[in-house]
Amino acid sequence: AQSVAQPEDQVNVAEGNPLTVKCTYSVSGNPYLFWYVQYPNRGLQFLLKYITGDNLVKGSYGFEAEFNKSQTSFHLKKPSALVSDSALYFCAVRGHNTDKLIFGTGTRLQVFP
Amino acid sequence: GAVVSQHPSWVICKSGTSVKIECRSLDFQATTMFWYRQFPKQSLMLMATSNEGSKATYEQGVEKDKFLINHASLTLSTLTVTSAHPEDSSFYICSAPPQRVTSYNEQFFGPGTRLTVL
Repeated sequence: AQSVAQPEDQVNVAEGNPLTVKCTYSVSGNPYLFWYVQYPNRGLQFLLKYITGDNLVKGSYGFEAEFNKSQTSFHLKKPSALVSDSALYFCAVRGHNTDKLIFGTGTRLQVFP
Repeated sequence: GAVVSQHPSWVICKSGTSVKIECRSLDFQATTMFWYRQFPKQSLMLMATSNEGSKATYEQGVEKDKFLINHASLTLSTLTVTSAHPEDSSFYICSAPPQRVTSYNEQFFGPGTRLTVL
């Protein structure tokens, strides 16, 4: 069965510092990985995805993620955090031969001024 | 990006009544839509896959008679919570993958519907 794990419930970082939100995955075959962000009482917004190609994927709002096959990880990163980045972040994997997304438990990012 | 809308954005109802939530893809067609439920401070739980022109596919543990799904057109899916009870109070979110050549595209999510059952 395919799954993703987000080991941190919350990540705290000072504004201007780099941030990392961790995600590891377990899939059979090639993984299709996604990051979404959710602001309070809102739906999810797509940030970026890895399907194939370069391991470093760049996405919206200055976020990027690095696909690491040997470590089965897809950590979300940003070089300089903003207070407005504070939100709930979800890592997700798509099942094979299906459009279903399997979500991690989410990580709350808190950026302090 | 593509836009998915939900209506209503919030609803309060009495226990025992039924509530219908609409999910629309505004600028693309979607033969498939997904319905999720999200409890406070928790992840999204996939409830069912809505299929245009055919029956919905429910995830294990989801009562199909309680959560009725209809996908009447390529741009509209509805979720009806029948005989709602307080434990059905939650945030319901729909999503849709646009129909394109590749199936690897991201899904687009609606803004969610907050249901409160008194």
